[in-house]
Amino acid sequence: AQSVTQPDIHITVSEGASLELRCNYSYGATPYLFWYVQSPGQGLQLLLKYFSGDTLVQGIKGFEAEFKRSQSSFNLRKPSVHWSDAAEYFCAVGPGTASKLTFGTGTRLQVTL
Amino acid sequence: SQTIHQWPATLVQPVGSPLSLECTVEGTSNPNLYWYRQAAGRGLQLLFYSVGIGQISSEVPQNLSASRPQDRQFILSSKKLLLSDSGFYLCAWRTSGSGYEQYFGPGTRLTVT
Repeated sequence: AQSVTQPDIHITVSEGASLELRCNYSYGATPYLFWYVQSPGQGLQLLLKYFSGDTLVQGIKGFEAEFKRSQSSFNLRKPSVHWSDAAEYFCAVGPGTASKLTFGTGTRLQVTL
Repeated sequence: SQTIHQWPATLVQPVGSPLSLECTVEGTSNPNLYWYRQAAGRGLQLLFYSVGIGQISSEVPQNLSASRPQDRQFILSSKKLLLSDSGFYLCAWRTSGSGYEQYFGPGTRLTVT
């Protein structure tokens, strides 16, 4: 069965510092991988996705993620965090039955000024 | 472009009362549709998904039900709400036959009192 682990429940970084959010997955074939962001009280917004090809993918809002098959990881990075990046971030893997996605439990990012 | 709407945005209901949450998608046809729930501080729990009109699959046995009366309409219902039904309900869609990314609506905050 597919699964996603986001080992960090809560991360705090200073504005302007770099960011890396970890995501490890378990999947029986080549995975489709996603990162989503959720601001308080809102729906999830797709940041980026990986299907195949270049293992470093660029997304919106200056985020990027790197797929490492040998480590079963898909970590999200940003070189310089802005206060508006404070939110919850979810990693997801698929597809499962009926094209379902499996989501991690999320990492809450706090940005200090 | 595609948009997804959820109605209502916020709802406060007493225990034992009925529930009806609506989700509609515009700008696409024959989407796969999903209902998720987020309890406070928790990740996403998939409740139902649908691959077509009248086709509903349940992920978690509970007192909720879902229906898809039209191609782009997905309804979440309950005959009698429980306190444990409180949470943030998210509807999502994806285009069948393409990439597996899902797009989320703005959510409905349900408080059962």
